[in-house]
Amino acid sequence: GAGVSQSPSNKVTEKGKDVELRCDPISGHTALYWYRQSLGQGLEFLIYFQGNSAPDKSGLPSDRFSAERTGGSVSTLTIQRTQQEDSAVYLCASSPGTGLGAYEQYFGPGTRLTVT
Amino acid sequence: AQSVTQLDSQVPVFEEAPVELRCNYSSSVSVYLFWYVQYPNQGLQLLLKYLSGSTLVESINGFEAEFNKSQTSFHLRKPSVHISDTAEYFCAVSPKGAGNMLTFGGGTRLMVKP
Repeated sequence: GAGVSQSPSNKVTEKGKDVELRCDPISGHTALYWYRQSLGQGLEFLIYFQGNSAPDKSGLPSDRFSAERTGGSVSTLTIQRTQQEDSAVYLCASSPGTGLGAYEQYFGPGTRLTVT
Repeated sequence: AQSVTQLDSQVPVFEEAPVELRCNYSSSVSVYLFWYVQYPNQGLQLLLKYLSGSTLVESINGFEAEFNKSQTSFHLRKPSVHISDTAEYFCAVSPKGAGNMLTFGGGTRLMVKP
């Protein structure tokens, strides 16, 4: 079946612009996660959605970052007023959300964001 | 809070030699443990996981890891590596019953040489 998909695969933007990154999780997966992979910070958790519950935003680095998940499926990560330190690969993952299978996260290919 | 330490950022090894990639973690709660692999220009893939039961877990491509609670370690081993094992390997933990988000180590780049 189809895996987690992300778009765009690459995004170059100018400092100060807003960007939107999209994630399509595996069909039926109720949990969705965003992570960031950068040279300086490694792999960091950003935000977690589980069903209709309020998202866990504890990993968002600043209030310029926000995310939403519409209809329990597609998610969009928005970065406002981008800064050069936002340059990274943004990874989305999904999991079944319940039972021990909830701990198996399936990752998308990522969006490489470059802020110039 | 959790933290994961991968002691070696790079491990060069010759083909068919054994390898061990070290992972230690710190957590105030019980955790599940994972190894993920990232092949060049590819996404993260789950290699193996420890959730419960036997502390020795194996992957389909010959890797194994052993959970050692007293040493808070989850080292990854393979008795004989192949060129195709060249990749970056990430150890990760997730707190039991608390949101499932992963905390990753810094990664170990395994470089298999002919």
